[in-house]
Amino acid sequence: ETGVTQSPTHLIKTRGQQVTLRCSSQSGHNTVSWYQQALGQGPQFIFQYYREEENGRGNFPPRFSGLQFPNYSSELNVNALELDDSALYLCASSLFSGTSTDTQYFGPGTRLTVL
Amino acid sequence: GENVEQHPSTLSVQEGDSAVIKCTYSDSASNYFPWYKQELGKGPQLIIDIRSNVGEKKDQRIAVTLNKTAKHFSLHITETQPEDSAVYFCAAGSSGSARQLTFGSGTQLTVLP
Repeated sequence: ETGVTQSPTHLIKTRGQQVTLRCSSQSGHNTVSWYQQALGQGPQFIFQYYREEENGRGNFPPRFSGLQFPNYSSELNVNALELDDSALYLCASSLFSGTSTDTQYFGPGTRLTVL
Repeated sequence: GENVEQHPSTLSVQEGDSAVIKCTYSDSASNYFPWYKQELGKGPQLIIDIRSNVGEKKDQRIAVTLNKTAKHFSLHITETQPEDSAVYFCAAGSSGSARQLTFGSGTQLTVLP
């Protein structure tokens, strides 16, 4: 186990609603990345947070937003939910090294179902 | 942006045989290549990774090789066991500002007893 925790485990929402997912990073890590994994596919990068600021973003619309807190935990917020947002949302924590690509350790994910 | 292709999508082997999964990437700036194992209902678990200054890395029954010129890397699992059955993902990353990982589409490995 990695020490990265996510809550809740499962969530069911209806189209148009808003959702907040939470992630606690592994001890000693200062960076959190969020990924969306649709059924049968590889994870897709949403964004990354370092020092409480967004540090890179994938091809996701602005209704996907996030926060990082001083204790390095993070939230992913999705507004105006669409049916295609149904997926496993993964959080990965890492230690930003400044000079090399960081090893990312994933949490168990939050399964979001949009009806 | 980076594009990672992974083959095969499914792989069945007999217990004790070897399994090989191959990936290609498109961005020459990529310099970090991790492999993850994902079991049903769980998050991806890092099993081995390699950086572009190394051509091969081994950890017990698992090895990864990297060919930067051809932009491909492979995962080798020897003496497979039923507990190796899972979905395996390759990924590519760089030390640029985004530091994101781009994943392949996954390989469902089944080890038959």
